[in-house]
Amino acid sequence: NAGVTQTPKFRVLKTGQSMTLLCAQDMNHEYMYWYRQDPGMGLRLIHYSVGEGTTAKGEVPDGYNVSRLKKQNFLLGLESAAPSQTSVYFCASSSGTGVTYEQYFGPGTRLTVT
Amino acid sequence: GQSLEQPSEVTAVEGAIVQINCTYQTSGFYGLSWYQQHDGGAPTFLSYNALDGLEETGRFSSFLSRSDSYGYLLLQELQMKDSASYFCAVAPSQAGTALIFGKGTTLSVSS
Repeated sequence: NAGVTQTPKFRVLKTGQSMTLLCAQDMNHEYMYWYRQDPGMGLRLIHYSVGEGTTAKGEVPDGYNVSRLKKQNFLLGLESAAPSQTSVYFCASSSGTGVTYEQYFGPGTRLTVT
Repeated sequence: GQSLEQPSEVTAVEGAIVQINCTYQTSGFYGLSWYQQHDGGAPTFLSYNALDGLEETGRFSSFLSRSDSYGYLLLQELQMKDSASYFCAVAPSQAGTALIFGKGTTLSVSS
């Protein structure tokens, strides 16, 4: 049981390049989330999904797109990277049932845009 | 708007007790969670309060007062390994929407 995994762990992009971050979970969770974390800013929600084939915008969605074609995967795309998107990106998932709203986080992707 | 306020830094010594406060202002509220994050690592779940009162899990306890829009995380018998960032997070609606996180409190424990 790997939990939540993220690919890649590190990436350096030039301004204007595109890339896709992959998140996978093996816990059969319905809900998946993408956050970015910047120093002193905490975790800010980019996009989330409440089930296969559905996505919704979070707090800071501009410049990002997502897709959830399979229940276990949630992809985050940057079409034209900007230096402001330099950040650590965390994916998380939750079951949507129970009473704790516990989210399980992946190890993060450290992205630098030059 | 929606906001959570928590102190940016707290320092303490081994064996001490420390309390990290969190006040929130959100459009909806289903519960208050706490997460721990060690430097360079992923956030991990610590506790959740849906009702007023104290929840205890080992050395850690979490408290909620819905009428005051306030909660805190209490860490007892501090150990060096407790040095980390601690985030409060609000569930603004029923399951299916994401948590709103505070900016985090960095706890430094010294010997």
